[in-house]
Amino acid sequence: GAGVSQSPSNKVTEKGKDVELRCDPISGHTALYWYRQRLGQGLEFLIYFQGNSAPDKSGLPSDRFSAERTGESVSTLTIQRTQQEDSAVYLCASSKNRDRINYGYTFGSGTRLTVV
Amino acid sequence: GENVEQHPSTLSVQEGDSAVIKCTYSDSASNYFPWYKQELGKRPQLIIDIRSNVGEKKDQRIAVTLNKTAKHFSLHITETQPEDSAVYFCAASKGSNYQLIWGAGTKLIIKP
Repeated sequence: GAGVSQSPSNKVTEKGKDVELRCDPISGHTALYWYRQRLGQGLEFLIYFQGNSAPDKSGLPSDRFSAERTGESVSTLTIQRTQQEDSAVYLCASSKNRDRINYGYTFGSGTRLTVV
Repeated sequence: GENVEQHPSTLSVQEGDSAVIKCTYSDSASNYFPWYKQELGKRPQLIIDIRSNVGEKKDQRIAVTLNKTAKHFSLHITETQPEDSAVYFCAASKGSNYQLIWGAGTKLIIKP
């Protein structure tokens, strides 16, 4: 597509429920990133997929968080047993990084998650 | 690993004046330095980037300078306008690792 697409745009869930967030990157972008951004705060790295390599999961805050990506297509971020502190905007970004050349990220519009 | 520090955290300037935001990085192998603008409630958007083989890059009212020796880079906005009000993030990365390491952000306020 023309841009990075995220769904849903808003999600309100009850504490303890599982949620699944979706990211559809720009076609041909090898890299996909998930970030969390709390209100008024910076970008908190969660996980990074590069092509068919093993993902970098070093930013996941707990084992309740997991993410998958099939090849260079759609990714899903799953949060199990949601807690109120999970409330934030979850941003996905993709990039055409390859051949040891870095390019900028294109961000999706995010999913605003509210845990009540 | 790489660390990026960004200053100031908040910057207030009079409309029409210039604004400068500075970032320092720790890994001398870093070779790509983008700047992002995030307006309230919106996604971060790339506004300008620079690679380590150049020292300065301009695009209309914005410019970025890079000092590899001192390991710092700066964003310069001239003739500031109300629409420049936003949070600005700097970042750094290197060819062997495609991850951007981010600064903490600078909130730029343009006073009318």
